[in-house]
Amino acid sequence: DIQMTQSPSSLSASVGDRVTITCRASQSISSYLNWYQQKPGKAPKLLIYAASSLQSGVPSRFSGSGSGTDFTLTISSLQPEDFATYYCQQSYSTPPTFGPGTKVDIK
Amino acid sequence: EVQLVESGGGLVQPGRSLRLSCAASGFTFDDYAMHWVRQAPGKGLEWVSGISWNSGSIGYADSVKGRFTISRDNAKNSLYLQMNSLRAEDTALYYCAKAPAHTVTSNWFDPWGQGTLVTVSS
Repeated sequence: DIQMTQSPSSLSASVGDRVTITCRASQSISSYLNWYQQKPGKAPKLLIYAASSLQSGVPSRFSGSGSGTDFTLTISSLQPEDFATYYCQQSYSTPPTFGPGTKVDIK
Repeated sequence: EVQLVESGGGLVQPGRSLRLSCAASGFTFDDYAMHWVRQAPGKGLEWVSGISWNSGSIGYADSVKGRFTISRDNAKNSLYLQMNSLRAEDTALYYCAKAPAHTVTSNWFDPWGQGTLVTVSS
């Protein structure tokens, strides 16, 4: 199975900050990398698919980049509604696997 | 609007069985693969199983292989997960999720249902 890691595991940031979350795969996954946002008590929500494609309805302050083994989710200007846990997921091979998550909270 | 509504969760003793259902609406159900993903309390996300549009291709996580069976009824727009020989470590919120295509590989998951809680305890 492909192992996914994320860094940091948590971060504290202020509204308006630029936030970057990193995801790394244990082997090359090309661009088969997706990002989700999960708020407490809610189901995960797809933000980015295929490494850099913004899901319909997701604000443009979210962006994704990377290929191979290293990927990045960037929030250009953090908004109050963005405080949540973020997960990456590889869809290169079965089983699809998720990173452990990055919790973004208020500084 | 695409909607996925899970049901069938509950408290069950170790070794017993449970069947989860996911009712889909707002899209042409038999055009898409579907998946189950679970989340243990306070933990991360774990893919459980996926099924292609026509049930021709099915996959399972190693942790549930041989105990869980995924199925779908396209006439009823419904997805199922039959869970047998349940263990304490199967305790989790179980989500159904829609794939972007009819094949079960190379999928992201969107949207997700609200989840149904399965608690395995004596």
